[in-house]
Amino acid sequence: ILNVEQSPQSLHVQEGDSTNFTCSFPSSNFYALHWYRWETAKSPEALFVMTLNGDEKKKGRISATLNTKEGYSYLYIKGSQPEDSATYLCAFMAGGFKTIFGAGTRLFVKA
Amino acid sequence: DTGVSQDPRHKITKRGQNVTFRCDPISEHNRLYWYRQTLGQGPEFLTYFQNEAQLEKSRLLSDRFSAERPKGSFSTLEIQRTEQGDSAMYLCASSPAGGSPLHFGNGTRLTVT
Repeated sequence: ILNVEQSPQSLHVQEGDSTNFTCSFPSSNFYALHWYRWETAKSPEALFVMTLNGDEKKKGRISATLNTKEGYSYLYIKGSQPEDSATYLCAFMAGGFKTIFGAGTRLFVKA
Repeated sequence: DTGVSQDPRHKITKRGQNVTFRCDPISEHNRLYWYRQTLGQGPEFLTYFQNEAQLEKSRLLSDRFSAERPKGSFSTLEIQRTEQGDSAMYLCASSPAGGSPLHFGNGTRLTVT
């Protein structure tokens, strides 16, 4: 059974704080790891696609790292803004392309 | 690219009734996924297709759930003899070949009374 765990479940930070979340996934049958941002009343939107061990991706203030050998990925947000408030999902894509999501980390950024 | 569309957006049904949802993926995407999402949880995998072939169905799903993608384009998800525990958001997503991310529709919210 493929299991994807995310922590913390939720996070409350002040504007300007930097924060990070963890996603752990199976270390076997790995094909890709995706991060999504999911705002209330909208559909999840992809942030990063990560495929190689040691990958680091960056988009503005958000970055992510990948360790496929130990089965974890970190998402970092530098200088959080209220508009960063959302649920951040990670998804493990196995060989064969079955894609399993974690429960998400819900981020609240207070102005 | 008109995006992934799902129909209906909302469905209210009485316990014991059958319901069917439709998903139209992005036209050039050969993979199509169905997920169920309940409050506070991430999308729970239900099933997925590569073209018209259903590759896997979650073992958590009872036999009341069935999905089809007859011509490798749109897909339907049917729930027979609905139960109150089936109330959830049903999400459809599609993706092209390789490790590309999923593109989601807006979902169908099912309420079973």
